[in-house]
Amino acid sequence: SQQGEEDPQALSIQEGENATMNCSYKTSINNLQWYRQNSGRGLVHLILIRSNEREKHSGRLRVTLDTSKKSSSLLITASRAADTASYFCASGYSGGGADGLTFGKGTHLIIQP
Amino acid sequence: EPEVTQTPSHQVTQMGQEVILRCVPISNHLYFYWYRQILGQKVEFLVSFYNNEISEKSEIFDDQFSVERPDGSNFTLKIRSTKLEDSAMYFCASKEDYSPLHFGNGTRLTVT
Repeated sequence: SQQGEEDPQALSIQEGENATMNCSYKTSINNLQWYRQNSGRGLVHLILIRSNEREKHSGRLRVTLDTSKKSSSLLITASRAADTASYFCASGYSGGGADGLTFGKGTHLIIQP
Repeated sequence: EPEVTQTPSHQVTQMGQEVILRCVPISNHLYFYWYRQILGQKVEFLVSFYNNEISEKSEIFDDQFSVERPDGSNFTLKIRSTKLEDSAMYFCASKEDYSPLHFGNGTRLTVT
């Protein structure tokens, strides 16, 4: 399984500001995924970017991938209080099959009203 | 929207006892997983399951653990001789091929 490590570990910003979280991984990947976890709940898939893509958008989310640096970033624009959650990246090497993704400790994002 | 359901939401057990955590994956999904998250720590992969057999398991998933798909809908994780350090949130997930994981809301296991 691949491994993602996120930074910062915690991020607190004002509502309306943009939040940027980073992720690094160690080996070759086929895709990188970002998940969100509200306190005490399961992880919810946000966005997937494939290794041949450099940037992807989904609503207020923008994900970039730099395979030469083995890193990715998640940008949440115009943050809202409801965005408060932990965000995890996970990298996959096949995309298909039983691909057991491994998650890092995540970035705990707090949006202050 | 279909979802992965897990029961119970909270399980308390005494050290040394056996527990079975239950999951109902999304009905048309082919791949099933168990993850665990110790409080404040990262989400750790335990095992993946496909076509009625284990596809991949982590070093955490030793002989203390087993998984089973006893019928067409349930997917269970059995933990034998529970230890204090087994206390964690246990998440079940499922997916179709070439798709993201869909997680349940987890079972909080407390070993006393």
